[in-house]
Amino acid sequence: EIVLTQSPGTLSLSPGERATLSCRASQSVRNNYLAWSQQKPGQAPRLLIYGASSRATGIPDRFSGSGSGTDFTLTISRLEPEDFAVYYCQQYADSPFTFGPGTGVDIK
Amino acid sequence: EVQLLESGGGLVQSGGSLRLSCAASGFTFNNYAMNWVRQAPGKGLEWVSTISGSGGTTYYADSAKGRFTISRDNSKNTLYLQMNSLRAEDTAIYYCAKGLSSSGYYYWGCENWGQGTLVTVSS
Repeated sequence: EIVLTQSPGTLSLSPGERATLSCRASQSVRNNYLAWSQQKPGQAPRLLIYGASSRATGIPDRFSGSGSGTDFTLTISRLEPEDFAVYYCQQYADSPFTFGPGTGVDIK
Repeated sequence: EVQLLESGGGLVQSGGSLRLSCAASGFTFNNYAMNWVRQAPGKGLEWVSTISGSGGTTYYADSAKGRFTISRDNSKNTLYLQMNSLRAEDTAIYYCAKGLSSSGYYYWGCENWGQGTLVTVSS
């Protein structure tokens, strides 16, 4: 089973700042089948990034994904008020298709 | 527009059963893998199960193996999750999620999500 570790657990930032979120896998994620999703309180998750670096439909270009193998990063270039949320990574290369524990981005 | 509407959640006693449904629209249902993902109160996302577009391949989390069965009816554009021998730790919002596609290829993973249905298991 691929275990995903996300860091930090919580990120406290101000609007306009840059956010850098990490997702580390316990073994290489085949074909970089790694996705990032955003979840706001009381809402369903929303896909942001798939294939480690491809933005999903309708996702603003301030969101970008990078990385390969075991180390992946989600970057939000300039935080907007609506970006304060919890972010999850998920690997969909091999079953079980595990999620990371999440990183919360909150307002400083 | 992709729409996923879950139903069938509710309050059930420990050891009981429930069948969740997810009615899909806005896409060619039988092309896509489908997933169930759950979220216990105040916790993170937990992948539960995935089924291929044809229904011929299924995957389960260890927590679901032997108790839950994922299935689909492509003629009705509907995904199901039969849950038996329910435990208190199965209490969660259960989300249905459509698989990924890109450039005409189809993948596991979760592209679109429903709003979820709440399952509460009382001990």
